[in-house]
Amino acid sequence: NAGVTQTPKFQVLKTGQSMTLQCAQDMNHEYMSWYRQDPGMGLRLIHYSVGAGITDQGEVPNGYNVSRSTTEDFPLRLLSAAPSQTSVYFCASNIIVGGETQYFGPGTRLLVL
Amino acid sequence: SQKIEQNSEALNIQEGKTATLTCNYTNYSPAYLQWYRQDPGRGPVFLLLIRENEKEKRKERLKVTFDTTLKQSLFHITASQPADSATYLCALYNQAGTALIFGKGTTLSVSS
Repeated sequence: NAGVTQTPKFQVLKTGQSMTLQCAQDMNHEYMSWYRQDPGMGLRLIHYSVGAGITDQGEVPNGYNVSRSTTEDFPLRLLSAAPSQTSVYFCASNIIVGGETQYFGPGTRLLVL
Repeated sequence: SQKIEQNSEALNIQEGKTATLTCNYTNYSPAYLQWYRQDPGRGPVFLLLIRENEKEKRKERLKVTFDTTLKQSLFHITASQPADSATYLCALYNQAGTALIFGKGTTLSVSS
């Protein structure tokens, strides 16, 4: 199993550009989520999904969209990038919502100029 | 809303000593609490889970305690090694059980 994969590893955007961060898992996990990690702020939840077709907002959802058309994929879309969205983004999955072990991807480092 | 505090941002110890990290939480009491390890430039990796009815859990050189009265978990690494240097995160679910909330982490440095 590849586990949780994320692409790209690193991206530079200009303010106002849009982009999609890709996340995929091959463990047949129902639950997937996106976090951002900033110095001094820890991991903060952006959006999560408890299954295909179901998504919900986390702590910091503004400026981000998600969809979950398949069990495997959970892309995160930045609609109009802002410098405040410069961060490291982690995708995670779990067998079910409230499951005991969360698996994380390697992260995407995003710089918005 | 649920809050988690990890008291120390950084902890420096010598090789062979025991490292003790603290995690405090407020509001409701979770059914279980988790600890993760994160190395620079990588995603967090699950280490241990302790349930509310377990006072202590061990895995090799790791030991976790869970005091639901104090709303506190302690994470111990015995006979620490330089390879244990990393950031350690505690985490628990929100009351709805839909979101895993993380503390800001404690960065442990073990010097030889």
